[in-house]
Amino acid sequence: GAVVSQHPSRVICKSGTSVKIECRSLDFQATTMFWYRQFPKQSLMLMATSNEGSKATYEQGVEKDKFLINHASLTLSTLTVTSAHPEDSSFYICSARDPSGGTDTQYFGPGTRLTVL
Amino acid sequence: GENVEQHPSTLSVQEGDSAVIKCTYSDSASNYFPWYKQELGKRPQLIIDIRSNVGEKKDQRIAVTLNKTAKHFSLHITETQPEDSAVYFCAAVGGGFKTIFGAGTRLFVKA
Repeated sequence: GAVVSQHPSRVICKSGTSVKIECRSLDFQATTMFWYRQFPKQSLMLMATSNEGSKATYEQGVEKDKFLINHASLTLSTLTVTSAHPEDSSFYICSARDPSGGTDTQYFGPGTRLTVL
Repeated sequence: GENVEQHPSTLSVQEGDSAVIKCTYSDSASNYFPWYKQELGKRPQLIIDIRSNVGEKKDQRIAVTLNKTAKHFSLHITETQPEDSAVYFCAAVGGGFKTIFGAGTRLFVKA
């Protein structure tokens, strides 16, 4: 099946700094990617839908100025957590749909564990 | 807004028994229902899915049923094995391929 990668897999940063997470579709072009956040022992919560060449669509309660999303190409979306605080510590996972596959299946990245000190 | 409820939150079964996890969804526009298995610290893995024009689908020990009228869908695992122990998430996908996940079920299979 299709492969989605994320980088970095793990990041530790100081409070107040910004962190960028990359999500790449390795063997297909993804016009749409999704960003999720998962706190320990909780479900995946959709943060935003990233659309190639246009602005991301954010879910209610997600601050677009804090979580900057850029989908500059058909294989790359980035999530930047600006001015990170300890409460932003979480597991961030992206997913992408392969529109050429003719299915609704989404492929998930391996996730990025963010720890803000 | 859209919502997916999942029950139970925790399920403990003896090896060889069956496990059933149930979900309900609120968005009538949902037309695709995947189930994911997630092990600690790993990405969710798709284990089975069903589309709204189908009532039941089976893949070896795993089956999923869908009642679109009642907005219910269920996962059935038969002959459970210790390696089935994980967290299982149901999900409903609607317009724009937006996926809403259930809260998850932690399955323990005791040897």
